[in-house]
Amino acid sequence: QVQLVQSGTEVKKPGASVKVSCKASGYTFRNYDINWVRQATGQGLEWMGWMNPKSGYSGSAEKFEGRLTMTRDTSTSTAYMELSGLRAEDTAIYYCARTHGDFDHWGQGTLVTVSS
Amino acid sequence: DTQLTQSPSSLSASVGDRVSITCRASQGIRNDLAWYQHRPGKAPKRLIFGASSLQSGVPSRFSGSGSETEFTLTISSLQAEDSATYYCLQHYNYPPPTFGQGTKVEIK
Repeated sequence: QVQLVQSGTEVKKPGASVKVSCKASGYTFRNYDINWVRQATGQGLEWMGWMNPKSGYSGSAEKFEGRLTMTRDTSTSTAYMELSGLRAEDTAIYYCARTHGDFDHWGQGTLVTVSS
Repeated sequence: DTQLTQSPSSLSASVGDRVSITCRASQGIRNDLAWYQHRPGKAPKRLIFGASSLQSGVPSRFSGSGSETEFTLTISSLQAEDSATYYCLQHYNYPPPTFGQGTKVEIK
C-alpha cells in the first residue's frame, strides 16, 4: 500500500534551516509529484510547493520563494523539503502529499518548532 | 490563482443531523475538486475526489456534488467521529493548488 513516512520532530532557533524528509513506498516514486503543505497552530492548511521526482523540477508559493528548497533522492524514494531563515511564525506541522490530480496520500506530519 | 471560499467557517450540529458545507471557486474549475477531513494530530484524509467520487473506505454518509464554481460536501447523518475540520482543494489550475479556509464541525 502507498505510504509516506516523514522524519521526526524538529526544534530550531530563529534564522536556522530545517530539512524534513518524506520516504515513499508502495508505488513508483518517480511517477507522482510530491507537494508540501503546512498547518500552523489555529490556522488552515497552507500549500507551500511541489516537486516532480522524475525531473527534479519544483515550484513554490510566492511567500516561500527564496526560502524553500525541495529535492529528492530517487535511489531511496525520498523527498526533502528545506526551509531556511526560520522565524517563529514558521512553527507548524509540515506534511508531504502524493499528487495524483489532488493529494491522495499524505505523510503523518512533522512538527517544526521555531523558538529562541 | 483560483480562490476557494468555504462556508460556513464553523458549525455545531447534533448526531444524526444532515450537514452541508459549500465551497465556491473564483473561476470555473470543472470537477477538479477534492474534500478532506482533518482531525487534530492526524494527517488530512481524502473523502471525495473529482467533486463527487467517494474515496474507498469512506462511509457512504459522506457525499460531494457540484461543478465549475459551486461545490457541496454533505454528511447525511452526522456521527460523533465526524468532529473535524473539513477543507476543499482545487487542482484545476495546478500549480498552484488552493485550499478553502476550512470548516470546523463540532458535535453538540
